[in-house]
Amino acid sequence: EVQLVASGGGLVKPGGSLRLSCAASGFTFRTYSLNWVRQAPGKGLEWVSSISSTGSYIYYADSLKGRFTISRDNAKNSLYLQMNSLRAEDTAVYYCARDPGDGSGMDVWGQGTTVTVSS
Amino acid sequence: QSVLTQPPSVSAAPGQKVTISCSGSSSNIGKNYVSWYQQVPGTAPKLLIYENGKRPSGIPDRFSGSKSGTSATLGITGLQTGDEADYYCGTWDSSLSAWVFGGGTKVTVL
Repeated sequence: EVQLVASGGGLVKPGGSLRLSCAASGFTFRTYSLNWVRQAPGKGLEWVSSISSTGSYIYYADSLKGRFTISRDNAKNSLYLQMNSLRAEDTAVYYCARDPGDGSGMDVWGQGTTVTVSS
Repeated sequence: QSVLTQPPSVSAAPGQKVTISCSGSSSNIGKNYVSWYQQVPGTAPKLLIYENGKRPSGIPDRFSGSKSGTSATLGITGLQTGDEADYYCGTWDSSLSAWVFGGGTKVTVL
């Protein structure tokens, strides 16, 4: 079964850091681009970051201002998101999602992991 | 303020048809594929339409997608209560080098 399982969310104080992980199974991980997409409570989908299949191309939403870092380990079939200097407005469910890399669409989504930034 | 513009809500009776519009610009919809996602509250989004009008395996042909210029449309025919969800359009924006989504449209079956 093709699957993405996100983990690592939790409660963190403003200014703190958190590292999210996304474990993949059931497909050839190294051939797909991967994304992080978040959804604040009661809000719509917001794209966070993308990384190409080899990790050579990385993109971030402008709103992150260099606080987040996306990475992947193709040997471990895993995607990561290092989040630093967290703010209350980063509170959201974070989803990892796969796409073929050609802009056709994000065809597999993880279940999401919840990040809450609060003192 | 989303880069792509969708109506906040649409509604219709069971068995009827609804359409959801998604308006963008020459740097996103005008240049790249549009995809559509269905999200039942409390669950992860699910791909409904990719490459403007193609359906993944398992998606019924009641769902259709089209694109013209800088706009795209999702159609749902034979509306069912199970179709009640939020629907999002998405595409790559070549100027922003970013994925962009619409603000979402809530479909209500009356």
